[in-house]
Amino acid sequence: EDQVTQSPEALRLQEGESSSLNCSYTVSGLRGLFWYRQDPGKGPEFLFTLYSAGEEKEKERLKATLTKKESFLHITAPKPEDSATYLCAVKSSGTYKYIFGTGTRLKVLA
Amino acid sequence: DSGVTQTPKHLITATGQRVTLRCSPRSGDLSVYWYQQSLDQGLQFLIQYYNGEERAKGNILERFSAQQFPDLHSELNLSSLELGDSALYFCASSVAPGTSGIGAHTDTQYFGPGTRLTVL
Repeated sequence: EDQVTQSPEALRLQEGESSSLNCSYTVSGLRGLFWYRQDPGKGPEFLFTLYSAGEEKEKERLKATLTKKESFLHITAPKPEDSATYLCAVKSSGTYKYIFGTGTRLKVLA
Repeated sequence: DSGVTQTPKHLITATGQRVTLRCSPRSGDLSVYWYQQSLDQGLQFLIQYYNGEERAKGNILERFSAQQFPDLHSELNLSSLELGDSALYFCASSVAPGTSGIGAHTDTQYFGPGTRLTVL
């Protein structure tokens, strides 16, 4: 069964303190791994799509990487405005469904 | 702004009632997805449509139904509402149905702002 696990559930960082969020997945043939940012009460905002192991994508202070079993979202020198819940999702071949993890709630303190 | 619109933003109703949530996808997107997000819960996939046809079903209750119209907007109908149906309902859209070639970026879903449903 396709599964996505995100860790940690919650993370508190000081402004400027870099860290990584983890997304572990089990899927029968990965067709794509997606990262989203979600602010409270808002719709998820698309960040990155990764398709194959070794692929990396960057956007401002965020960098996403992918291996055959997991993806990392690296946050470099975070700012308070980076505080949000970060969601990971996977899509497997042979199905139209997307499986979302429960997210990592990030809080960056000034 | 993702380009996906949802109406209404908020909906308050009573148990046993029926409501309709509406979604307009991004221009050019043919696929629409519906998700439910309860308090402190992850996104639960409900149903997907592509160009008017149902493509995938998730954990959608029999009391819930959806359709996609020729102009590609979609509606999610929730009936015989229960207290536990209170949640955020999100619509997402993508260019393709999710069977594109790897790397085509047409599988990426873009989410709307959501409809907050409160059942009293």
